[in-house]
Amino acid sequence: ILNVEQSPQSLHVQEGDSTNFTCSFPSSNFYALHWYRWETAKSPEALFVMTLNGDEKKKGRISATLNTKEGYSYLYIKGSQPEDSATYLCALYNAGNMLTFGGGTRLMVKP
Amino acid sequence: EPEVTQTPSHQVTQMGQEVILRCVPISNHLYFYWYRQILGQKVEFLVSFYNNEISEKSEIFDDQFSVERPDGSNFTLKIRSTKLEDSAMYFCASRYRTPSSGANVLTFGAGSRLTVL
Repeated sequence: ILNVEQSPQSLHVQEGDSTNFTCSFPSSNFYALHWYRWETAKSPEALFVMTLNGDEKKKGRISATLNTKEGYSYLYIKGSQPEDSATYLCALYNAGNMLTFGGGTRLMVKP
Repeated sequence: EPEVTQTPSHQVTQMGQEVILRCVPISNHLYFYWYRQILGQKVEFLVSFYNNEISEKSEIFDDQFSVERPDGSNFTLKIRSTKLEDSAMYFCASRYRTPSSGANVLTFGAGSRLTVL
């Protein structure tokens, strides 16, 4: 059973703060790491799919990095806005054709 | 933008009853999945489906569960005799391959919340 862990579990920040959270995963048999943003009552939305060690991806104020050798990925949000409030999920995709999810980081941005 | 749709959004049922959760994946996707999240726990893989058959399933997906693609568009999850511990949010997802990266992005539906009493 693959163990994908995310920290912190929840995070409260003020509008304008920059923040980051961590996803750690087993580094063997790595295929891809997915990040999803999930707002309550909506579909989880794919943010990034990262496949190569050293990958850095960016979408607006959100970016992510990947280290497959040590088994971690960071998600950064620059200048958090209230609309960034959501649960951020990472998931490991392996050759077994399934995603193994972490527990998520619940971000709340206060205006 | 194409989306995965799921019905019902919420279903309440009595223990022992059969439940069918429905999903309409994105039309040109080839792989279909069911995941679930029990409240307070991680999202868990249940089953994947390709070419009209199950390709992978987890330990959770026992004989009480079945999946079908009855008409080429709907993808259903049936739970034959629900138990209290089946109460969860059930997510359908479908997959395409992004042309640029080759990575397998999943598109999720908004989920069906099942409450078993």
